[in-house]
Amino acid sequence: KAGVTQTPRYLIKTRGQQVTLSCSPISGHRSVSWYQQTPGQGLQFLFEYFSETQRNKGNFPGRFSGRQFSNSRSEMNVSTLELGDSALYLCASSLGDSSTDTQYFGPGTRLTVL
Amino acid sequence: GENVEQHPSTLSVQEGDSAVIKCTYSDSASNYFPWYKQELGKRPQLIIDIRSNVGEKKDQRIAVTLNKTAKHFSLHITETQPEDSAVYFCAASWGGGNKLTFGTGTQLKVEL
Repeated sequence: KAGVTQTPRYLIKTRGQQVTLSCSPISGHRSVSWYQQTPGQGLQFLFEYFSETQRNKGNFPGRFSGRQFSNSRSEMNVSTLELGDSALYLCASSLGDSSTDTQYFGPGTRLTVL
Repeated sequence: GENVEQHPSTLSVQEGDSAVIKCTYSDSASNYFPWYKQELGKRPQLIIDIRSNVGEKKDQRIAVTLNKTAKHFSLHITETQPEDSAVYFCAASWGGGNKLTFGTGTQLKVEL
């Protein structure tokens, strides 16, 4: 089975712009979770999508949003970018049937905000 | 929400020695505890996980123990090798759905 893929792998944006990141889960997985990884804050949960619905949300401002399509692919969007949004954005896919399902991570998108 | 604390933040061992990393969690409803290994520039990779109905799990040189009463779990790596050098994260799953709260990570260095 192909693993979790994310595009693009690298992005450079300027403050005030918006960005869209994409995540394709493992075939058959219906849950996609997004995480932000920074040296200062570590790995933080953004939100989870399951069957095209947001099932869980972390403590991030409304500038961070996402969606999931019928094929389980997910996108996240960050509007009005700030310098502090520079981070590695990771998505993880899982079957989604149980809170104990294993989550498999993608390679991440490295976002740099100038 | 859940809070996960992880210690130590850095750990240096000699090749062949054992390494132990400890985590505590706050939400007694947490029921799933995975451990991820992340090498520099790579994605987190699951190395072992444990569910709340089990007290210990072992996979070759890696083992995890869970104490639900004390709300802590630990990763044990025996016979460490240089390729074990990486950052290790513990995590806990809480509430419904698939969301993980991570510890702050342990930089493990295995020296020759």
